[in-house]
Amino acid sequence: QLQLQESGPGLVKPSATLSLTCTVSGGSLGSSSYYWGWVRQPPGKGLEWIGSIFYSGSTYYNPSLKGRVTISVDTSKNQFSLNLSSVTAADTALYFCARLSDLRWNFDYWGQGTLVTVSS
Amino acid sequence: QSALTQPASVSGSPGQSITISCTGTSSDVGTYNYVSWYQQDRGKAPTLMIYEVSKRSSGLSHRFSGSKSGNTASLTISGLQAEDEADYYCSSYTSGSTLVIFGGGTKLTVL
Repeated sequence: QLQLQESGPGLVKPSATLSLTCTVSGGSLGSSSYYWGWVRQPPGKGLEWIGSIFYSGSTYYNPSLKGRVTISVDTSKNQFSLNLSSVTAADTALYFCARLSDLRWNFDYWGQGTLVTVSS
Repeated sequence: QSALTQPASVSGSPGQSITISCTGTSSDVGTYNYVSWYQQDRGKAPTLMIYEVSKRSSGLSHRFSGSKSGNTASLTISGLQAEDEADYYCSSYTSGSTLVIFGGGTKLTVL
């Protein structure tokens, strides 16, 4: 059974870079037909797609995040990571990592989520 | 790119049927049959329920069904049960550099 687990700091200072890692178990990041990415949910609000990466390294990002996002993959560790720079309080959210099927374009596996708070 | 439009809330009594709409544009829902629906309990990860407009995830009750007409997709839940109370989100594949777009979410209350 595929499992995804987020890890990283729960508190980040304003203007700093938020960094999270997602570790995948029970399957390989090198599988074709899947993107690996991040979705966030501010408190009391809806889901927002942040971006996704293919195992080959091709990336797609939400334009609304204006170039602050970088997603990378380390197939040797079966991990992928999120960096979000110049954070503000508006970036406070529950961050999920998730697998996106490029055949069905749905998120079929999700991590449990990790709350990141931006505050000094 | 704006989120897909969903009603903020819907409600129904046990045993009744409800429908949640998800309105997009010709760049997403109207052109592609890659609409998905997710159920989310507060603070938990979303769970995939419906994909490709109307296909049910493994094990999902037949009380849940999906459809699409033009730029609007719909999720119908029949025979409402108390356990169906949750937040529901639609998503769609979209053209351009953005791969997927979500709806704003709908809170379902079972009266």
